[in-house]
Amino acid sequence: QVQLQESGPGLVKPSQTLSLTCTVSGGSVSSGSYCWSWIRQPAGKGLEWIGRIYTSGSTNYNPSLKSRVTISVDTSKSQFSLKLSSVTAADTAVYYCARDLRYGDYPYYYYYMDVWGKGTTVTVSS
Amino acid sequence: QSVLTQPPSVSAAPGQKVTISCSGSSSNIGNNYVSWYQQLPGTAPKVLIYDNNKRPSGIPDRFSGSKSGTSATLGITGLQTGDEADYYCGTWDSSLSGGYYVFGTGTKVTVL
Repeated sequence: QVQLQESGPGLVKPSQTLSLTCTVSGGSVSSGSYCWSWIRQPAGKGLEWIGRIYTSGSTNYNPSLKSRVTISVDTSKSQFSLKLSSVTAADTAVYYCARDLRYGDYPYYYYYMDVWGKGTTVTVSS
Repeated sequence: QSVLTQPPSVSAAPGQKVTISCSGSSSNIGNNYVSWYQQLPGTAPKVLIYDNNKRPSGIPDRFSGSKSGTSATLGITGLQTGDEADYYCGTWDSSLSGGYYVFGTGTKVTVL
């Protein structure tokens, strides 16, 4: 079955750009039945949705992070990526990637996150 | 801060039932479908309910979901020690251009 694995630096300096990659195995990132999301969770706190990318390449972002976030997909490598610029200590969190499964009938499609990666911890510190 | 409000904690004895509420507005729950996620300690979240009340394959029918107006509810019957976890509701919010996904504040379930 499909598996997702996050990877990237565990430590990022303040003001730099956080870059993470999610590798999808056992499935295709180019299937129109899915889109791909990033979610984060500071220690001891709740989940925060960062954004998602559709197979068309279009994206949706959390308004609170939109000015600093870029999500992209590389179908040749079966990966999708997150870049978060100008990080501060407030960006320290466990970062999860997830697959969003599409359901419903055209033109009314809906999604829910049916497969998650195990998460990777990113600390922002000098 | 989240636009979906959940109680911080609920508890009950083994075998009993708990319900978790998720309160939102017309821009999110009122006009979109709700999902529920379970996060066991130290693990990634897992979907329990989607489309307000549907269970993905493999999720036991002890878990149920409902929605009324701008609120949603997750029910867990026959509570087990393995149900001790954090639970989050989630849905799309259409208040801003393009929309965005929102999670609830989260509820910790304790089995007494």
